[in-house]
Amino acid sequence: GEDVEQSLFLSVREGDSSVINCTYTDSSSTYLYWYKQEPGAGLQLLTYIFSNMDMKQDQRLTVLLNKKDKHLSLRIADTQTGDSAIYFCAESTNQGGKLIFGQGTELSVKP
Amino acid sequence: KAGVTQTPRYLIKTRGQQVTLSCSPISGHRSVSWYQQTPGQGLQFLFEYFSETQRNKGNFPGRFSGRQFSNSRSEMNVSTLELGDSALYLCASSWASGLDQPQHFGDGTRLSIL
Repeated sequence: GEDVEQSLFLSVREGDSSVINCTYTDSSSTYLYWYKQEPGAGLQLLTYIFSNMDMKQDQRLTVLLNKKDKHLSLRIADTQTGDSAIYFCAESTNQGGKLIFGQGTELSVKP
Repeated sequence: KAGVTQTPRYLIKTRGQQVTLSCSPISGHRSVSWYQQTPGQGLQFLFEYFSETQRNKGNFPGRFSGRQFSNSRSEMNVSTLELGDSALYLCASSWASGLDQPQHFGDGTRLSIL
């Protein structure tokens, strides 16, 4: 079946690293995505990883994929107050453009 | 390059009415997908259009419909509105329909049903 799970809340101090975790169930997923949603806005594509990769780094963002455990994580280095938002993990499906989203993790960054 | 544009940003309707939402994709993108976001159900896929054809459909009643025009702009329509249709409706576009096409989202249309 198709299901994506995330923890709901994460609180960190400014300057610390944040790690947001996600598990998915569809082993046929070939792409996994991270999106950011700020209040009153849509989803901003942060990064994505192909399932044959273990890691992808993009400036302050590092994505780790453990395909055996179907576990995905997003690490944000040097977290800033502007990183406070809801972060969604999503997996591709075999139905074209359909993505399955997790419930979102609300990241709170305290100064 | 302009992003995905959704209009209107806010809508207030009453039960039983119908509504049409519009989405203009990023220039050159030919695939448009629609999602409904609610606090209870999260983000749920409505449908996807590519080259004016519906390619995939989510598990929503027939009151929800859409179409895509030759310029790739898309509209979705909800008829006989119910209170439970109150949600943020998000549109996303990509170059083509497929697994390897990252989707870029607009800011959504917030629909409130009274």
